Amino acid sequence: DVKVTQSSRYLVKRTGEKVFLECVQDMDHENMFWYRQDPGLGLRLIYFSYDVKMKEKGDIPEGYSVSREKKERFSLILESASTNQTSMYLCASSLAGLNTEAFFGQGTRLTVV
Amino acid sequence: AQSVTQLDSHVSVSEGTPVLLRCNYSSSYSPSLFWYVQHPNKGLQLLLKYTSAATLVKGINGFEAEFKKSETSFHLTKPSAHMSDAAEYFCVVSQYNFNKFYFGSGTKLNVKP
Repeated sequence: DVKVTQSSRYLVKRTGEKVFLECVQDMDHENMFWYRQDPGLGLRLIYFSYDVKMKEKGDIPEGYSVSREKKERFSLILESASTNQTSMYLCASSLAGLNTEAFFGQGTRLTVV
Repeated sequence: AQSVTQLDSHVSVSEGTPVLLRCNYSSSYSPSLFWYVQHPNKGLQLLLKYTSAATLVKGINGFEAEFKKSETSFHLTKPSAHMSDAAEYFCVVSQYNFNKFYFGSGTKLNVKP
């Protein structure tokens, strides 16, 4: 089974801190994603990576950056955390190409105080 | 451009009665379509996917969905609801050449005894 592992289930950080969310997948998937989930808004794409060191902005990239130095690992960075970044963050991975589905981690619930 | 509209934010049914969760999509090209389920405090699980092989798609736990190109719809159905079906359901569209997944805002299914 594909496994997508997020390093933390719950995080509490202070406003202005630099925050790292880590995600690892074990199925050699080319694509990795970071989504943010908020009630009533579904999942919104923050960043997408289709290869090592390659990234594309999603729909809501402001305030976030990403890093993909190895194929299996995709990190989301909040440069200076703010209270409006309190949310559930979901990492996903997929194969490239036709008809492939995304596999999701369990999520990290981040609270910025 | 791609987008997904889930027509109901909440659906409530009695146990043993049919379930209908509605989804409309827009896509410039032939899409792949998915339904995911999220139980409380759990990750996202794939229920089923449409990839142009057949318009009626069967998934796990007795769910199925029908792709109707003329109506741009991909509604999720189940003949008889079970208490364990209570969860949030997401309709998702992707296009292979863009390798991204776009989510609807979700439908929360409540199943009454």
